[in-house]
Amino acid sequence: AQKITQTQPGMFVQEKEAVTLDCTYDTSDPSYGLFWYKQPSSGEMIFLIYQGSYDQQNATEGRYSLNFQKARKSANLVISASQLGDSAMYFCAMRGSNYKLTFGKGTLLTVNP
Amino acid sequence: DAGVTQSPTHLIKTRGQHVTLRCSPISGHKSVSWYQQVLGQGPQFIFQYYEKEERGRGNFPDRFSARQFPNYSSELNVNALLLGDSALYLCASSEEKATGQSETQYFGPGTRLLVL
Repeated sequence: AQKITQTQPGMFVQEKEAVTLDCTYDTSDPSYGLFWYKQPSSGEMIFLIYQGSYDQQNATEGRYSLNFQKARKSANLVISASQLGDSAMYFCAMRGSNYKLTFGKGTLLTVNP
Repeated sequence: DAGVTQSPTHLIKTRGQHVTLRCSPISGHKSVSWYQQVLGQGPQFIFQYYEKEERGRGNFPDRFSARQFPNYSSELNVNALLLGDSALYLCASSEEKATGQSETQYFGPGTRLLVL
């Protein structure tokens, strides 16, 4: 079975500062993928970043980076230079051998001006 | 390029009724997945279809069914609606390869279903 844990129900950050959203996972699959999605109040899930379990380098996509620590089973999302438009729910998800995405409960990020 | 589209955007039904939700994947994507997201929770996997075959099913009752058409669009059907079926239903498409484990799934805007 796969499990994603996001322990921060809500986070606050000042505009232009960096913020880290925590994610830990559990799986018995030797090969898996980790994803972060953003969900604004409109409801659509927006793909942000992907990390493969065998990738040697941490993934980066613009202002998003994924701090992948395989031994600790963590995949934290770092958002640099926060913007007001970053205010949303953020979900960590993983996918193993069974093709489905397993999501955490999410973290509500609020960016303050 | 058009993203994943879903219809309708909103729907109100009463208990016991039947509902059909529709999804069109990104052009070239052969896999469609359905998720249910109740308020305050992360999405829960319902089904995945690849090349018109069911590839996976989540822990949902038999009242939930789906199919995929030759053009890779998909329908999710829910029979005998219960109040607890009120949720945002998300469709996602992915490119998929034969052994693809980590193909990115791209989501549509969702259908908000309210059961009264």
